[in-house]
Amino acid sequence: QVQLVQSGAEVKKPGASVKVSCKASGFRFSNYAMHWVRQAPGQRLEWMGWINPDNGNTKYSQKFQGRVTITRDTSASTAYMELSSLISEDTAVYYCARWDRGCVDWGQGTLVTVSS
Amino acid sequence: EIVLTQSPGTLSLSPGERATLSCRASQSVNSNYLVWYQQKPGQAPRLLIYGTSSRATGIPDRFSGSGSGTDFTLTISRLEPEDFAVYYCQQYGSSPLTFGGGTKVEIK
Repeated sequence: QVQLVQSGAEVKKPGASVKVSCKASGFRFSNYAMHWVRQAPGQRLEWMGWINPDNGNTKYSQKFQGRVTITRDTSASTAYMELSSLISEDTAVYYCARWDRGCVDWGQGTLVTVSS
Repeated sequence: EIVLTQSPGTLSLSPGERATLSCRASQSVNSNYLVWYQQKPGQAPRLLIYGTSSRATGIPDRFSGSGSGTDFTLTISRLEPEDFAVYYCQQYGSSPLTFGGGTKVEIK
């Protein structure tokens, strides 16, 4: 069965960076785009960007352009999302999601807390 | 950016009742690119509907979607206890992909 297993919770100071991993299993990793979506406490879902694992091409939301980098390691079937210059408003649960006409499978979420 | 506005914000209904959720877009959305998710507290969202009206794998037929252009609807024909949750629409016809603010379906 499809599984997306994300790395554990992180606590970061303002200005730092965080890198979240998402290990995929149960499907051919290169065949499906991987999206990253975040959800701040009590807020709506927010799309950050996606990667084509086959060729590494990425597309980011303008809101995060310059601060977010999505990469993948096809040999490890793992996608990564790195967010830099963190501010308190970046405190959120970050999800990876396999795309197939929608986010059809989701990771369990990674809580990133930004606090001084 | 396409803004999706969901209404109502909260829907208070009893099990067995019909739920009608609205998602209105600030500009026209290709109906192939409108999806709905369900999210329960502490869980990741679950894909319910893609392409406006097609049910995702394993989704019961009490869930249905419709609409076109700027107005889309998710209908739950008879609410089951496990259907009380927050529902989000999302469009991906235009970048950035955007989500609505959600409709919470709560037990009356």
